[in-house]
Amino acid sequence: DAGVTQSPTHLIKTRGQQVTLRCSPKSGHDTVSWYQQALGQGPQFIFQYYEEEERQRGNFPDRFSGHQFPNYSSELNVNALLLGDSALYLCASSLKGRDHQPQHFGDGTRLSIL
Amino acid sequence: GDSVTQMEGPVTLSEEAFLTINCTYTATGYPSLFWYVQYPGEGLQLLLKATKADDKGSNKGFEATYRKETTSFHLEKGSVQVSDSAVYFCALTSGGSNYKLTFGKGTLLTVNP
Repeated sequence: DAGVTQSPTHLIKTRGQQVTLRCSPKSGHDTVSWYQQALGQGPQFIFQYYEEEERQRGNFPDRFSGHQFPNYSSELNVNALLLGDSALYLCASSLKGRDHQPQHFGDGTRLSIL
Repeated sequence: GDSVTQMEGPVTLSEEAFLTINCTYTATGYPSLFWYVQYPGEGLQLLLKATKADDKGSNKGFEATYRKETTSFHLEKGSVQVSDSAVYFCALTSGGSNYKLTFGKGTLLTVNP
């Protein structure tokens, strides 16, 4: 049973560039959430996708956008990268309507901005 | 809004010592509470959860009890091992498990042999 998989594992970009991160949810899950974890901090919620639409959004600027595909996989796009975007980006999946079932996390993508 | 406050780290213990990591929360309604663990270079793994007041979550010797009256969810283990060294995050969700998770800042635990 495949868990949540994310790619790439590591990425280095320069300021002003754009980046796309990818996530495949755990088998049987239909909802994908993205979190940003800065060094030494807890994860911060970016947004959540269900049925190919953004359903919830945290306090992140419009430079952060996403997409969910019919197979439930998801992408996180960040435009005009800033040094402060350097972080571990975590994807979590869950099954809509299954209350009290926890979100499952991938190992994350480490994004470094030079 | 929702928030989680965790005991500041780092925490350093000797093997077989007793562990407590304090966690208190502020939330609307009746949140579900979680402890996640993050080993070096890895993502988050669910350690335990509790979904209503007075519930006790437990796993791998770790326990935490949902205390509504004190808005707390403290993590405890009677005898820690070197392999328990990791960062521990307290988290809540106040809209069902599909709602966003709100995390504390994390507590780094180091267990020495």
